[in-house]
Amino acid sequence: DTAVSQTPKYLVTQMGNDKSIKCEQNLGHDTMYWYKQDSKKFLKIMFSYNNKELIINETVPNRFSPKSPDKAHLNLHINSLELGDSAVYFCASSVPIGDTQYFGPGTRLTVL
Amino acid sequence: SQQGEEDPQALSIQEGENATMNCSYKTSINNLQWYRQNSGRGLVHLILIRSNEREKHSGRLRVTLDTSKKSSSLLITASRAADTASYFCATVLLGGGADGLTFGKGTHLIIQP
Repeated sequence: DTAVSQTPKYLVTQMGNDKSIKCEQNLGHDTMYWYKQDSKKFLKIMFSYNNKELIINETVPNRFSPKSPDKAHLNLHINSLELGDSAVYFCASSVPIGDTQYFGPGTRLTVL
Repeated sequence: SQQGEEDPQALSIQEGENATMNCSYKTSINNLQWYRQNSGRGLVHLILIRSNEREKHSGRLRVTLDTSKKSSSLLITASRAADTASYFCATVLLGGGADGLTFGKGTHLIIQP
């Protein structure tokens, strides 16, 4: 019954590795997002994806790439992980675009 | 760049008292939303107030919006221990719905039993 789910909940990996975080929403929403929350709890939008249109926050390194196999999924792939990528990553969805967002439980990524 | 700034950064009150948190933002908005985050958990939506609205209520929550001052406040009445959490305001910029939410730094609220 979970509206927005993410896997894994925790991810510990070595610098330089490539990893993916999966996100699924069963709300039928058209728009999905990825946010990053740093160690000071500051949340920042990374991507929004609506009807196959991807909007990228200009500060996001191109090592990060969202992939959407269908409307219910927006996965986050990260190449060549760096120490600074350690954070909690949240997936969210909304309808209509710009309205109330429903967040997943988050994925805590630790890069060693 | 950061849009919202919450004030105070931390607030500790006794159970039963009212808690007020403020948020200021910089540019014109479509709407402003308040979210709660319990420790180690995801964000939960509380209230959305649109730019043409001035006040909204939901249970013990009251949100006001002053677009002339670019500010909003969240009032939690008759606080409970379960209200202990971080509270974030977030804005959707005018014409920027596809850009997602721009969050403030949050207010950490502690309700003392």
